[in-house]
Amino acid sequence: ETGVTQSPTHLIKTRGQQVTLRCSSQSGHNTVSWYQQALGQGPQFIFQYYREEENGRGNFPPRFSGLQFPNYSSELNVNALELDDSALYLCASSLKGSGEAFFGQGTRLTVV
Amino acid sequence: QQQVKQSPQSLIVQKGGIPIINCAYENTAFDYFPWYQQFPGKGPALLIAIRPDVSEKKEGRFTISFNKSAKQFSLHIMDSQPGDSATYFCAAGRMDSSYKLIFGSGTRLLVRP
Repeated sequence: ETGVTQSPTHLIKTRGQQVTLRCSSQSGHNTVSWYQQALGQGPQFIFQYYREEENGRGNFPPRFSGLQFPNYSSELNVNALELDDSALYLCASSLKGSGEAFFGQGTRLTVV
Repeated sequence: QQQVKQSPQSLIVQKGGIPIINCAYENTAFDYFPWYQQFPGKGPALLIAIRPDVSEKKEGRFTISFNKSAKQFSLHIMDSQPGDSATYFCAAGRMDSSYKLIFGSGTRLLVRP
């Protein structure tokens, strides 16, 4: 177990709705990254948060947004859900500069 | 320049065999190369990682070989076991303030008893 926990584990939403996914970082870690993993593919970097600020972003539209809290936990928000947003959303925590990223079990989002 | 190409897409070996998974990268600024193991319904688990200042790293039955000039690295699994059956992902990244990982497309490994 990595100590990174995500909630919920599964979620079904309707196209056009909004969703919030949550992540608790491993103790001692100060950086959290979010990834989207479509079925049968490798994870794709969405963005990273450090000291409560966005610290790098992948090729995802602005309707993907996030927050990091003082206790280093994080949220991923997705507005105006599309069918293609159906995927496993992974949170990874790390200590800045260490390189090692530890993933949670993910949230399986299905958009219908 | 941000791609990481991984092969093969799938691999079947007998118990005790040595599966080899290969990855190639383009961005010479990458300085961190981890491998992750993922079981169905689970998040990726960090297996082993290497920096470009070494050519090989071993941890238990897992070995990474790294060829900086060719911009390639590979994972070898010694004495493979059925419990090693999973999807393996290589990745590449930078350990500076813009740290993020670029993942390969994955290799589905099946180890037959």
